[in-house]
Amino acid sequence: QKEVEQNSGPLSVPEGAIASLNCTYSDRGSQSFFWYRQYSGKSPELIMFIYSNGDKEDGRFTAQLNKASQYVSLLIRDSQPSDSATYLCAVGSDYKLSFGAGTTVTVRA
Amino acid sequence: KAGVTQTPRYLIKTRGQQVTLSCSPISGHRSVSWYQQTPGQGLQFLFEYFSETQRNKGNFPGRFSGRQFSNSRSEMNVSTLELGDSALYLCASSLGHSGEYNEQFFGPGTRLTVL
Repeated sequence: QKEVEQNSGPLSVPEGAIASLNCTYSDRGSQSFFWYRQYSGKSPELIMFIYSNGDKEDGRFTAQLNKASQYVSLLIRDSQPSDSATYLCAVGSDYKLSFGAGTTVTVRA
Repeated sequence: KAGVTQTPRYLIKTRGQQVTLSCSPISGHRSVSWYQQTPGQGLQFLFEYFSETQRNKGNFPGRFSGRQFSNSRSEMNVSTLELGDSALYLCASSLGHSGEYNEQFFGPGTRLTVL
């Protein structure tokens, strides 16, 4: 079983729609949760972090964390073509981040 | 504030050679982590250094090693290169320990090609 699993994608959404990305993790002791965006040929860029159960909003992005279900999600509202990228879920524990394989999102104009 | 810098950005080596990659963290950051990214395996953790001490190591052979200096700059070394070591090597820094309540920021990466 992989430590961090993401919905496989690719995910194609029309411009202006909501993109929903999901992530589950296996280590119940995980403390911190991150979403990174990676454009093709670039390095990952941190877009959201969440440490407590519940929702956290930042502009068009909302991260949701449910530690009991070992589940974290990212919603992108009013999706724009510039949101087309691979989104990586990362889970922190034991002095390291474990990454999911990523979900590629394409926003159709 | 300057971001994480990595040198060199691109490197071509042949099998059996060794390579050293360098990473300078964001000013004030004390933790440096290294990752290997390949299309097949994704982003895999190599090791984390904090205050010159290795705190955690991923599942990589002993050919992969690293160190951190007193100014928090870090180097990783790969000896006896194999074709499968071709990858993007990413360095990330954070204020405190990676994996705890600290945001980690990535450098641009070093693209290593082994021929």
